[in-house]
Amino acid sequence: GDSVTQMEGPVTLSEEAFLTINCTYTATGYPSLFWYVQYPGEGLQLLLKATKADDKGSNKGFEATYRKETTSFHLEKGSVQVSDSAVYFCALSVEETSGSRLTFGEGTQLTVNP
Amino acid sequence: GAVVSQHPSWVICKSGTSVKIECRSLDFQATTMFWYRQFPKQSLMLMATSNEGSKATYEQGVEKDKFLINHASLTLSTLTVTSAHPEDSSFYICSATDREAKDTQYFGPGTRLTVL
Repeated sequence: GDSVTQMEGPVTLSEEAFLTINCTYTATGYPSLFWYVQYPGEGLQLLLKATKADDKGSNKGFEATYRKETTSFHLEKGSVQVSDSAVYFCALSVEETSGSRLTFGEGTQLTVNP
Repeated sequence: GAVVSQHPSWVICKSGTSVKIECRSLDFQATTMFWYRQFPKQSLMLMATSNEGSKATYEQGVEKDKFLINHASLTLSTLTVTSAHPEDSSFYICSATDREAKDTQYFGPGTRLTVL
């Protein structure tokens, strides 16, 4: 079945540090890939997505590239801010086999200190 | 665009009572809505998928008679937790897909349920 594996957290960084959160996947068919962010006490917000190989999703300084050869979708940001502290979820959906149903990773807690 | 709201944002109830949570797509028509449950420091667990005008599809292990889902219109789905017990206390989150972008789910802000 489909699965998503994320880098284990928690991750603690200083402000302006470089961020990488690893995400790899297994899927039948051709998945769309997503990063969602959850701030404390809130629901999930779509951060970025990519729908085919070599696509790069980007938003708010975050980037992730759909790498089919390594089945990866790592999240990166060049300079994190305290306001980026949240839980980040990698996810996939394969519309032809499961519709819009999402398969989530376990989430990675990021804390950015001033 | 693509805003999903939930009401209430939090609720406290006594054991044995029923609680209804609403999920609305505010600026789009939601072909499909999803209900999730999230335990502290864990990922989301899909409970059920509902399409407008049809019965919800429940995930294995989720009691359909306990978690009643109604998707009466293209902008509203409700989750009713019947005869709630303390073990039902959790964070419930809904999401919806737009017919124009079926692969992307837009999430509501969540509802914190506490059963005393």
